[in-house]
Amino acid sequence: AQSVTQPDIHITVSEGASLELRCNYSYGATPYLFWYVQSPGQGLQLLLKYFSGDTLVQGIKGFEAEFKRSQSSFNLRKPSVHWSDAAEYFCAVGVHGGSQGNLIFGKGTKLSVKP
Amino acid sequence: KAGVTQTPRYLIKTRGQQVTLSCSPISGHRSVSWYQQTPGQGLQFLFEYFSETQRNKGNFPGRFSGRQFSNSRSEMNVSTLELGDSALYLCASSLGAGSSEKLFFGSGTQLSVL
Repeated sequence: AQSVTQPDIHITVSEGASLELRCNYSYGATPYLFWYVQSPGQGLQLLLKYFSGDTLVQGIKGFEAEFKRSQSSFNLRKPSVHWSDAAEYFCAVGVHGGSQGNLIFGKGTKLSVKP
Repeated sequence: KAGVTQTPRYLIKTRGQQVTLSCSPISGHRSVSWYQQTPGQGLQFLFEYFSETQRNKGNFPGRFSGRQFSNSRSEMNVSTLELGDSALYLCASSLGAGSSEKLFFGSGTQLSVL
């Protein structure tokens, strides 16, 4: 079975600074990889996803993520953070041919943005 | 197009009671999944339904049940509520079934068990 780890529970960055959120997964083959964002009191919204091909994936709201097979990582990046990016971010791992029950979410990283 | 709608938004129940939560997916979406979200355990998968059939069930006791109707709307039921059932229950819909699908989440039902 696959697993996913988000090592950072809480990160604080200054507005305008760059951001990198870490995600490590465990799975024998190339998984499906996702990043979702959850604003307070809301459901989750998909930022981007990786299935195959180009390892650098562009998403919404200026986010991107890079799949690194050798490091089993799928880190989320943004060059300049805005105050509205304050939210909780979830990395998720799915398996080819699996059901949504096979989609495993990390515990999340809460992002705070300093003015 | 309207998003995923979950009702009610908030619910307070006492131990031993039962509760039914409702989810209306995005029009045209045939798959509905349910998740329980708590600060300690994070997001945990409950069920996945596609075309009225349960495709998969998470590791939850039989007190948790669900169903999907012909219009793709879904309900989940929790009987004999326990304090530990307090959580945010999220519903997600997608066009098709499977772990490659983009999920669209509702805002959730916040359940408090006293």
